[in-house]
Amino acid sequence: GDSVTQMEGPVTLSEEAFLTINCTYTATGYPSLFWYVQYPGEGLQLLLKATKADDKGSNKGFEATYRKETTSFHLEKGSVQVSDSAVYFCALSNTNAGKSTFGDGTTLTVKP
Amino acid sequence: DAEITQSPRHKITETGRQVTLACHQTWNHNNMFWYRQDLGHGLRLIHYSYGVQDTNKGEVSDGYSVSRSNTEDLPLTLESAASSQTSVYFCASSESAGGQETQYFGPGTRLLVL
Repeated sequence: GDSVTQMEGPVTLSEEAFLTINCTYTATGYPSLFWYVQYPGEGLQLLLKATKADDKGSNKGFEATYRKETTSFHLEKGSVQVSDSAVYFCALSNTNAGKSTFGDGTTLTVKP
Repeated sequence: DAEITQSPRHKITETGRQVTLACHQTWNHNNMFWYRQDLGHGLRLIHYSYGVQDTNKGEVSDGYSVSRSNTEDLPLTLESAASSQTSVYFCASSESAGGQETQYFGPGTRLLVL
């Protein structure tokens, strides 16, 4: 079945540091890939997505590129802020399945 | 603005009691989902529905049930609450988009079973 593996946390960075959170997937067909973010006490919300190979999703300074050859969708940000502290989930949605498969989440803490 | 709401936001109950968690969405989405979130397990799918009168079991459905009588609501019932069901529960919805669905999540219900 489909699966998503993401970098274990927690990750602690200083403000303005570079962020990478690794995500790899296993899936049949041609899934769409997502990053969701969960701020403390809230539900998940979409951060960015990519629907086909080589697509780059971007939002709020975050980027991720859909790499079919390495089955990866790594999340990056050039300069993190304290307000980026949250849990980040990588996920995939497969053709006509309707459901999404989520990674276990990576907790990011950014210190001033 | 369209939204997805959950109630109650916090609930304390005793083992053996029946508990129902409400989920209501105004997106007019066909797909609705219930997850539980526990430390070390990420999000686990409990039940899901692709439309009115349709329900399906997820990976951790034992002890839970759902029913879908209209588009907007998918209540989750714990038939006989157990301490192992202490968790944070999230409802989500999505439109049918051929595998490109973004899920929209509610704010969660924190359930404690004593």
